[in-house]
Amino acid sequence: GAVVSQHPSWVICKSGTSVKIECRSLDFQATTMFWYRQFPKQSLMLMATSNEGSKATYEQGVEKDKFLINHASLTLSTLTVTSAHPEDSSFYICSASPWTSGFQETQYFGPGTRLLVL
Amino acid sequence: DAKTTQPNSMESNEEEPVHLPCNHSTISGTDYIHWYRQLPSQGPEYVIHGLTSNVNNRMASLAIAEDRKSSTLILHRATLRDAAVYYCILRDPLIQGAQKLVFGQGTRLTINP
Repeated sequence: GAVVSQHPSWVICKSGTSVKIECRSLDFQATTMFWYRQFPKQSLMLMATSNEGSKATYEQGVEKDKFLINHASLTLSTLTVTSAHPEDSSFYICSASPWTSGFQETQYFGPGTRLLVL
Repeated sequence: DAKTTQPNSMESNEEEPVHLPCNHSTISGTDYIHWYRQLPSQGPEYVIHGLTSNVNNRMASLAIAEDRKSSTLILHRATLRDAAVYYCILRDPLIQGAQKLVFGQGTRLTINP
């Protein structure tokens, strides 16, 4: 099946710094990628939809100025957590679909990036 | 979005079949039923999906009730590697933004050796 990678797999940073997370579709092109956040013992929460060549669409309650998303190419989307604080510590997961003619394309998820803000 | 209801947790024994239920009484005629699972400390992975007919693949089977208000994911012979959180998700291809997945709490499946 299709592969989605994320880098880094884990990161520890000091409060106030910014952290960039990359999401790549390795063997397919994705016009749309999705970013999720997951706190311990909780389900995945969709943060935003990343669209290649245009602005991301953020879910209600997600600060777009804090979570900057850039979808520079058909295989790369980045999430930057700006001025990170301890409450931003979480498991960040991206996903992508190979877009063909159908709406029911399987979504492929990255392995996740664990962020710890001290 | 139509909502799904799943048991919080289930437990089974290795090499036995597992039936994971999902209720979706408000499902619309164009909603597809998708199942994903998330192994510990990993991103979710696709398991199976269907509309009306039962579906089989190498991972599992999906049994859909005739009225489509419920469905059951069947793992025919569970292994320890099947221990995960299983999510039942409805997707309507006719609505804008249908690609995105909205995750509920899912069912945490424990497999006993």
